[in-house]
Amino acid sequence: DTEVTQTPKHLVMGMTNKKSLKCEQHMGHRAMYWYKQKAKKPPELMFVYSYEKLSINESVPSRFSPECPNSSLLNLHLHALQPEDSALYLCASSHYRQVAGNTIYFGEGSWLTVV
Amino acid sequence: SQQGEEDPQALSIQEGENATMNCSYKTSINNLQWYRQNSGRGLVHLILIRSNEREKHSGRLRVTLDTSKKSSSLLITASRAADTASYFCAIISNFGNEKLTFGTGTRLTIIP
Repeated sequence: DTEVTQTPKHLVMGMTNKKSLKCEQHMGHRAMYWYKQKAKKPPELMFVYSYEKLSINESVPSRFSPECPNSSLLNLHLHALQPEDSALYLCASSHYRQVAGNTIYFGEGSWLTVV
Repeated sequence: SQQGEEDPQALSIQEGENATMNCSYKTSINNLQWYRQNSGRGLVHLILIRSNEREKHSGRLRVTLDTSKKSSSLLITASRAADTASYFCAIISNFGNEKLTFGTGTRLTIIP
């Protein structure tokens, strides 16, 4: 059982829609991550938040907008997406940003389909 | 690219047999981790091995690391149908970027 909860599990949205993916953890972790995973590919890092501040943005297009309202919550706001953005979006957390030596806990993911 | 390459890409074995997956990488690492992913679901952390360690065990899992060859292997002994999943290695490099970079993955199928 994962202690990182993601909602919704499935989302279908049109290219003109605005939607959000949500992630929550109650493990007291101070680093949270968004990964994108296409079918049969490894996860790719999108964003890293450390102590509620954005610390890494892997050159992600601005149509993806992350937000960390508090230490337990992480959102990913979606706007004007393209069909090629359809993927599994994974949220993860760890004790702190120094990933070395830390276990990263992943949520079950949100399947996004852009039509 | 710092991404690891895993071999084989897919592996099918009979239940009860041992499964071995290999991971090769190109950069100097701080540690290497292995994750399991059931189809279309989140990743589960299996084991972490540090750059100064050569072997680590966890239950039916055995991980080895050879930093001179820049390679690691994951051995699952006495496989079970529930071990069917994709397995990814992931590395943390020594170059200040603390990004966890995943390998290409091995799809393991255990035949009952």
